Amino acid sequence: DAKTTQPTSMDCAEGRAANLPCNHSTISGNEYVYWYRQIHSQGPQYIIHGLKNNETNEMASLIITEDRKSSTLILPHATLRDTAVYYCIVRVANNAGNMLTFGGGTRLMVKP
Amino acid sequence: GAVVSQHPSRVICKSGTSVKIECRSLDFQATTMFWYRQFPKQSLMLMATSNEGSKATYEQGVEKDKFLINHASLTLSTLTVTSAHPEDSSFYICSARERGGGNQPQHFGDGTRLSIL
Repeated sequence: DAKTTQPTSMDCAEGRAANLPCNHSTISGNEYVYWYRQIHSQGPQYIIHGLKNNETNEMASLIITEDRKSSTLILPHATLRDTAVYYCIVRVANNAGNMLTFGGGTRLMVKP
Repeated sequence: GAVVSQHPSRVICKSGTSVKIECRSLDFQATTMFWYRQFPKQSLMLMATSNEGSKATYEQGVEKDKFLINHASLTLSTLTVTSAHPEDSSFYICSARERGGGNQPQHFGDGTRLSIL
Protein backbone atom coordinates (compact mmCIF):
# COMPACT_ATOMS: atom_id res chain seq x y z
CA ASP A 1 0.00 0.00 0.00
CA ALA A 2 1.12 3.58 -0.72
CA LYS A 3 2.85 5.51 2.05
CA THR A 4 1.17 8.62 3.43
CA THR A 5 2.65 11.73 5.00
CA GLN A 6 0.78 13.83 7.55
CA PRO A 7 1.79 16.68 9.83
CA THR A 8 2.57 15.45 13.32
CA SER A 9 0.22 17.85 15.05
CA MET A 10 -2.24 20.66 14.44
CA ASP A 11 -4.29 23.03 16.54
CA CYS A 12 -7.76 24.30 15.74
CA ALA A 13 -10.07 26.71 17.51
CA GLU A 14 -13.39 25.34 18.64
CA GLY A 15 -16.15 26.09 16.15
CA ARG A 16 -13.75 26.65 13.28
CA ALA A 17 -13.11 24.27 10.42
CA ALA A 18 -10.25 21.84 10.86
CA ASN A 19 -8.41 21.02 7.64
CA LEU A 20 -6.12 18.03 7.91
CA PRO A 21 -3.81 17.41 4.96
CA CYS A 22 -2.41 14.12 3.74
CA ASN A 23 0.16 13.49 1.06
CA HIS A 24 0.03 10.20 -0.84
CA SER A 25 2.07 10.96 -3.91
CA THR A 26 2.69 7.29 -4.77
CA ILE A 27 -0.95 6.26 -4.67
CA SER A 28 -2.02 3.73 -7.28
CA GLY A 29 -5.12 3.95 -9.43
CA ASN A 30 -6.94 1.25 -7.47
CA GLU A 31 -6.13 2.55 -3.98
CA TYR A 32 -8.73 4.28 -1.86
CA VAL A 33 -8.03 6.98 0.71
CA TYR A 34 -9.41 6.20 4.16
CA TRP A 35 -9.54 8.43 7.21
CA TYR A 36 -9.81 7.19 10.76
CA ARG A 37 -9.40 8.90 14.09
CA GLN A 38 -8.44 7.60 17.49
CA ILE A 39 -9.56 9.32 20.63
CA HIS A 40 -7.38 8.61 23.62
CA SER A 41 -7.68 5.05 24.95
CA GLN A 42 -10.25 4.01 22.34
CA GLY A 43 -10.15 2.01 19.16
CA PRO A 44 -9.92 3.84 15.82
CA GLN A 45 -13.16 5.25 14.46
CA TYR A 46 -13.92 5.23 10.75
CA ILE A 47 -14.60 8.71 9.35
CA ILE A 48 -14.77 8.66 5.57
CA HIS A 49 -13.15 7.23 2.47
CA GLY A 50 -12.98 7.97 -1.25
CA LEU A 51 -11.34 7.05 -4.52
CA LYS A 52 -11.22 10.20 -6.63
CA ASN A 53 -14.41 12.17 -6.10
CA ASN A 54 -14.92 14.41 -3.11
CA GLU A 55 -17.02 12.82 -0.42
CA THR A 56 -19.13 14.16 2.41
CA ASN A 57 -20.93 12.50 5.28
CA GLU A 58 -22.30 13.53 8.64
CA MET A 59 -18.84 13.63 10.18
CA ALA A 60 -16.59 15.23 7.60
CA SER A 61 -15.74 16.04 4.01
CA LEU A 62 -12.92 14.52 2.02
CA ILE A 63 -11.33 16.55 -0.74
CA ILE A 64 -9.05 14.61 -3.09
CA THR A 65 -6.90 16.48 -5.58
CA GLU A 66 -7.39 15.76 -9.26
CA ASP A 67 -4.04 13.96 -9.51
CA ARG A 68 -4.96 12.03 -6.32
CA LYS A 69 -1.56 12.71 -4.81
CA SER A 70 -2.98 14.45 -1.78
CA SER A 71 -6.20 14.88 0.14
CA THR A 72 -7.69 16.99 2.89
CA LEU A 73 -10.08 15.94 5.61
CA ILE A 74 -12.36 18.76 6.67
CA LEU A 75 -14.21 18.87 9.98
CA PRO A 76 -16.52 21.82 9.29
CA HIS A 77 -17.13 22.91 12.88
CA ALA A 78 -14.58 21.39 15.21
CA THR A 79 -15.60 20.68 18.80
CA LEU A 80 -13.50 19.75 21.80
CA ARG A 81 -14.59 16.14 21.30
CA ASP A 82 -12.84 16.11 17.93
CA THR A 83 -9.48 16.20 19.69
CA ALA A 84 -7.85 12.97 18.53
CA VAL A 85 -5.16 11.45 16.34
CA TYR A 86 -6.29 11.39 12.72
CA TYR A 87 -4.93 8.73 10.39
CA CYS A 88 -4.89 8.93 6.62
CA ILE A 89 -4.47 5.50 5.03
CA VAL A 90 -4.44 4.38 1.43
CA ARG A 91 -5.38 0.83 0.63
CA VAL A 92 -6.25 -1.38 -2.28
CA ALA A 93 -9.89 -2.36 -1.95
CA ASN A 94 -9.99 -5.68 -3.74
CA ASN A 95 -10.71 -8.22 -1.05
CA ALA A 96 -11.58 -8.51 2.59
CA GLY A 97 -8.11 -9.67 3.52
CA ASN A 98 -6.33 -6.37 3.03
CA MET A 99 -5.51 -4.85 6.40
CA LEU A 100 -5.01 -1.19 7.21
CA THR A 101 -1.46 -0.01 7.83
CA PHE A 102 -1.29 2.90 10.25
CA GLY A 103 1.32 5.64 10.11
CA GLY A 104 1.93 8.26 12.75
CA GLY A 105 -1.18 10.32 12.05
CA THR A 106 -1.90 13.93 12.95
CA ARG A 107 -2.63 14.82 16.55
CA LEU A 108 -5.41 17.42 16.34
CA MET A 109 -5.93 19.57 19.38
CA VAL A 110 -9.17 21.55 19.40
CA LYS A 111 -8.89 24.48 21.78
CA PRO A 112 -11.64 26.55 23.38
CA GLY B 1 -23.47 1.16 11.30
CA ALA B 2 -21.26 -1.87 11.74
CA VAL B 3 -20.25 -2.54 15.33
CA VAL B 4 -17.30 -4.50 16.64
CA SER B 5 -17.38 -5.46 20.30
CA GLN B 6 -14.24 -6.32 22.23
CA HIS B 7 -14.11 -7.90 25.68
CA PRO B 8 -12.75 -7.37 28.25
CA SER B 9 -11.88 -3.69 28.06
CA ARG B 10 -9.22 -3.95 30.72
CA VAL B 11 -7.24 -6.78 32.29
CA ILE B 12 -4.75 -6.66 35.13
CA CYS B 13 -3.09 -9.93 36.00
CA LYS B 14 0.03 -11.56 37.33
CA SER B 15 2.99 -12.58 35.21
CA GLY B 16 2.59 -16.09 33.79
CA THR B 17 -1.17 -15.85 33.41
CA SER B 18 -2.84 -16.52 30.07
CA VAL B 19 -5.39 -13.95 28.96
CA LYS B 20 -8.13 -14.37 26.36
CA ILE B 21 -9.58 -11.41 24.47
CA GLU B 22 -12.76 -11.72 22.43
CA CYS B 23 -13.68 -9.77 19.33
CA ARG B 24 -17.21 -9.95 17.98
CA SER B 25 -18.85 -8.41 14.95
CA LEU B 26 -22.33 -7.65 16.25
CA ASP B 27 -24.36 -6.91 13.15
CA PHE B 28 -22.35 -8.30 10.28
CA GLN B 29 -20.32 -11.33 9.30
CA ALA B 30 -16.57 -11.14 8.96
CA THR B 31 -14.49 -13.82 7.29
CA THR B 32 -11.40 -11.84 8.25
CA MET B 33 -10.56 -10.02 11.43
CA PHE B 34 -7.37 -8.24 12.35
CA TRP B 35 -5.50 -7.94 15.63
CA TYR B 36 -3.40 -4.87 16.38
CA ARG B 37 -1.22 -3.87 19.29
CA GLN B 38 -0.47 -0.32 20.36
CA PHE B 39 2.20 0.74 22.82
CA PRO B 40 2.04 4.14 24.55
CA LYS B 41 2.56 7.11 22.24
CA GLN B 42 2.91 4.81 19.22
CA SER B 43 0.70 3.95 16.29
CA LEU B 44 -1.18 0.69 15.82
CA MET B 45 0.90 -2.24 14.68
CA LEU B 46 -0.72 -5.20 12.96
CA MET B 47 -0.03 -8.46 14.78
CA ALA B 48 -2.01 -10.98 12.77
CA THR B 49 -4.84 -11.57 10.36
CA SER B 50 -7.50 -13.95 11.61
CA ASN B 51 -9.26 -16.07 9.01
CA GLU B 52 -12.50 -17.90 9.76
CA GLY B 53 -12.00 -21.62 9.63
CA SER B 54 -8.28 -21.53 8.96
CA LYS B 55 -4.98 -20.61 10.57
CA ALA B 56 -4.14 -17.02 11.31
CA THR B 57 -1.43 -15.18 9.40
CA TYR B 58 1.12 -13.55 11.69
CA GLU B 59 3.25 -10.53 10.98
CA GLN B 60 7.01 -10.81 11.15
CA GLY B 61 8.27 -10.83 14.70
CA VAL B 62 4.97 -11.90 16.28
CA GLU B 63 5.20 -15.30 17.99
CA LYS B 64 2.29 -17.47 16.95
CA ASP B 65 2.74 -19.79 19.92
CA LYS B 66 2.48 -16.89 22.32
CA PHE B 67 -0.42 -15.09 20.68
CA LEU B 68 -2.97 -17.78 19.87
CA ILE B 69 -5.74 -16.76 17.52
CA ASN B 70 -8.94 -18.66 16.95
CA HIS B 71 -11.61 -17.56 14.47
CA ALA B 72 -14.25 -20.21 14.98
CA SER B 73 -17.23 -18.39 13.45
CA LEU B 74 -18.05 -15.51 11.16
CA THR B 75 -18.69 -13.23 14.13
CA LEU B 76 -16.05 -14.20 16.69
CA SER B 77 -12.27 -14.16 16.87
CA THR B 78 -10.26 -14.65 20.04
CA LEU B 79 -6.70 -13.71 20.90
CA THR B 80 -5.05 -15.54 23.78
CA VAL B 81 -1.85 -14.13 25.21
CA THR B 82 -0.20 -17.18 26.74
CA SER B 83 2.03 -16.94 29.79
CA ALA B 84 1.90 -13.17 29.69
CA HIS B 85 4.84 -11.13 30.97
CA PRO B 86 5.19 -7.42 31.73
CA GLU B 87 6.55 -6.71 28.26
CA ASP B 88 3.23 -7.95 26.84
CA SER B 89 1.44 -5.09 28.55
CA SER B 90 -0.17 -3.09 25.76
CA PHE B 91 -3.41 -1.94 24.17
CA TYR B 92 -4.81 -4.72 21.97
CA ILE B 93 -7.35 -3.78 19.31
CA CYS B 94 -9.30 -5.92 16.87
CA SER B 95 -11.02 -4.92 13.67
CA ALA B 96 -13.27 -6.52 11.10
CA ARG B 97 -14.74 -5.81 7.72
CA GLU B 98 -17.99 -6.99 6.28
CA ARG B 99 -17.98 -9.89 3.87
CA GLY B 100 -18.06 -9.06 0.22
CA GLY B 101 -14.76 -7.23 -0.04
CA GLY B 102 -14.74 -4.11 -2.09
CA ASN B 103 -14.06 -0.79 -0.45
CA GLN B 104 -16.04 -1.32 2.74
CA PRO B 105 -14.22 0.22 5.71
CA GLN B 106 -12.86 -1.75 8.61
CA HIS B 107 -14.51 -1.24 11.96
CA PHE B 108 -12.60 -1.40 15.20
CA GLY B 109 -13.35 -2.56 18.70
CA ASP B 110 -12.70 -0.29 21.64
CA GLY B 111 -9.56 -2.15 22.59
CA THR B 112 -8.35 -4.15 25.57
CA ARG B 113 -5.80 -2.63 27.87
CA LEU B 114 -3.65 -5.44 29.22
CA SER B 115 -1.45 -4.81 32.25
CA ILE B 116 0.83 -7.59 33.46
CA LEU B 117 2.25 -7.15 36.93
